[in-house]
Amino acid sequence: QSALTQPRSVSGSPGQSVTISCTGTSSDVGAYNFVSWYQQHPGKAPKLMIYDVTRRPSGVPDRFSGSKSANTASLTISGLQGEDEADYYCSSYAGRSWVFGGGTKLTVL
Amino acid sequence: QVQLVESGGGVVQPGGSLRLSCAASGFTFRTYGMHWVRQAPGKGLEWVAFINFAGETKYYAESVRGRFTISRDDSKNMLFLQVNSLTADDTAVYYCARDGNNWDLDFWGQGTLFTVSS
Repeated sequence: QSALTQPRSVSGSPGQSVTISCTGTSSDVGAYNFVSWYQQHPGKAPKLMIYDVTRRPSGVPDRFSGSKSANTASLTISGLQGEDEADYYCSSYAGRSWVFGGGTKLTVL
Repeated sequence: QVQLVESGGGVVQPGGSLRLSCAASGFTFRTYGMHWVRQAPGKGLEWVAFINFAGETKYYAESVRGRFTISRDDSKNMLFLQVNSLTADDTAVYYCARDGNNWDLDFWGQGTLFTVSS
């Protein structure tokens, strides 16, 4: 159950777009379309932002989008806003277990 | 609205035991699977355990298998995590989360912290 690989940090200016990658293996990301993304502000609980690779829960802005190719999933945030500054975690179902990425800190410059 | 409230955290000695609880409200608890996820201080999220809606299927992370036990009481809308043989590596905030039926974790509690220390 090795953690999925994410960049430790990304940054962008307000209005720009950023993409966070999440690399797994053929046993997790590559095997299932059950990749989800979570946003976590300091001291707060994680919040689901994307599930089933591309789907957004009700209330999540359409500035957030997800995709997947082979063993790598990606989260793209367009039209960056200050409130988007947070830690982002990807996760994948891995057959009788779940695995998270190490987290990416997004800084809005 | 969906609400999950964890309790049971504190300071425990190495080798000790603890039972964490999660009170659920705002949804039909008995129809959802549930997870425990932990986050060590300053670290990332680590999935710990899952129990299905019927309580008959349980999965555990390798790091806790044999030491932790997940259970539920649908009559009280409660989720539990019994943690035994604790080490310093178990120190973390423990979150309960609802399984959104698409193998995602769609609602999370605010977490409860326990520290393993002598």
